Amino acid sequence: NAGVTQTPKFQVLKTGQSMTLQCAQDMNHEYMSWYRQDPGMGLRLIHYSVGAGITDQGEVPNGYNVSRSTTEDFPLRLLSAAPSQTSVYFCASSYSPSTDTQYFGPGTRLTVL
Amino acid sequence: AQTVTQSQPEMSVQEAETVTLSCTYDTSESDYYLFWYKQPPSRQMILVIRQEAYKQQNATENRFSVNFQKAAKSFSLKISDSQLGDAAMYFCAHRQTDAGGTSYGKLTFGQGTILTVHP
Repeated sequence: NAGVTQTPKFQVLKTGQSMTLQCAQDMNHEYMSWYRQDPGMGLRLIHYSVGAGITDQGEVPNGYNVSRSTTEDFPLRLLSAAPSQTSVYFCASSYSPSTDTQYFGPGTRLTVL
Repeated sequence: AQTVTQSQPEMSVQEAETVTLSCTYDTSESDYYLFWYKQPPSRQMILVIRQEAYKQQNATENRFSVNFQKAAKSFSLKISDSQLGDAAMYFCAHRQTDAGGTSYGKLTFGQGTILTVHP
């Protein structure tokens, strides 16, 4: 049982490039989410999904796309990277969106030059 | 909208002593969940303790306990017998349970408190 996995661990992009951050979980969790962590601001919700085929926006969704074709995977796409997207990105999952503890992946540190 | 405030950017404690980290929150919900997460230098987010708002009894997990004051919207974390491995950033978080609103299941985090443990 690997829990929540994220790849890559580190990434450097140039402004305007696109990329996909991968997230997978093997716990059969229905709820998955993406957060970004910036200094002094805690973590903020980008997008979330309550099940395969269902996604919705969180607090800071601009510049990011998501899809959920399977229960296990929830990739986050940066369409055209900007320096403001330099951050640490966390994926999290749980059985239920309302009553269950969310478990976090190890994070991806992204730098946009 | 929910907000979570941690008023102590940094705290320090001597090994084997007790320290309390403060957290206050604001929500219009009557039922919700509160969490403390630990983030060591490895940056992994580790669940320390969770509290269901409908439970009056304070949650405990070994050396970690909370003082949950629902009316005051306060949720402090007490670490007893502090150990060097407790040194980390600690985040307080509120989980939204209202399916009718936006950002269903969202965790709202405080700004974090850096805990230093002195040997």
